[in-house]
Amino acid sequence: KAGVTQTPRYLIKTRGQQVTLSCSPISGHRSVSWYQQTPGQGLQFLFEYFSETQRNKGNFPGRFSGRQFSNSRSEMNVSTLELGDSALYLCASSSDGTSTDTQYFGPGTRLTVL
Amino acid sequence: GNSVTQMEGPVTLSEEAFLTINCTYTATGYPSLFWYVQYPGEGLQLLLKATKADDKGSNKGFEATYRKETTSFHLEKGSVQVSDSAVYFCALVIYNQGGKLIFGQGTELSVKP
Repeated sequence: KAGVTQTPRYLIKTRGQQVTLSCSPISGHRSVSWYQQTPGQGLQFLFEYFSETQRNKGNFPGRFSGRQFSNSRSEMNVSTLELGDSALYLCASSSDGTSTDTQYFGPGTRLTVL
Repeated sequence: GNSVTQMEGPVTLSEEAFLTINCTYTATGYPSLFWYVQYPGEGLQLLLKATKADDKGSNKGFEATYRKETTSFHLEKGSVQVSDSAVYFCALVIYNQGGKLIFGQGTELSVKP
């Protein structure tokens, strides 16, 4: 099976712009979660989607949003970018998102905000 | 709240040394516990997991036992290799928040030949 794929792998944006990141889960997986990784804050949960519905949400401002499509592919959007949004954004998929389920991670999208 | 605390790194060991990375957790619910590893420039890979008390997860020579009485999930390996150099993350998921991993701050391991 192909793994989790994320596009693009690298992005450079300027403050105030918006950005959309894409995640394709492992075939058959219905749960997709997003995480932000920074040197200062570590790995932080953004949100989780299951069957096109947001099921869990982390403590991020409303500028961070996401969605999931009927084929389980997911996108996250960050509007009005700030310098502090520079990070590695990781997507993970799991079969049904239960607590015992394993989440499989993609390689991440490295976002740099100038 | 729910949280994970790991021993601070970096940890530097010689090849074939014994490895322990401490992990303790605080959870309001009944968690599943995970160890993930991140190699330079890559995403996270599951190393092992345990979903109930006294379970032992193991993979590639690494082991960790879910200790509910001490709220711990320490990672151990009897003989590390240079190829084990990476950042290791302990994480938990609460029973009714299945898609939400809560991570520790990560422990960087460097193994010297």
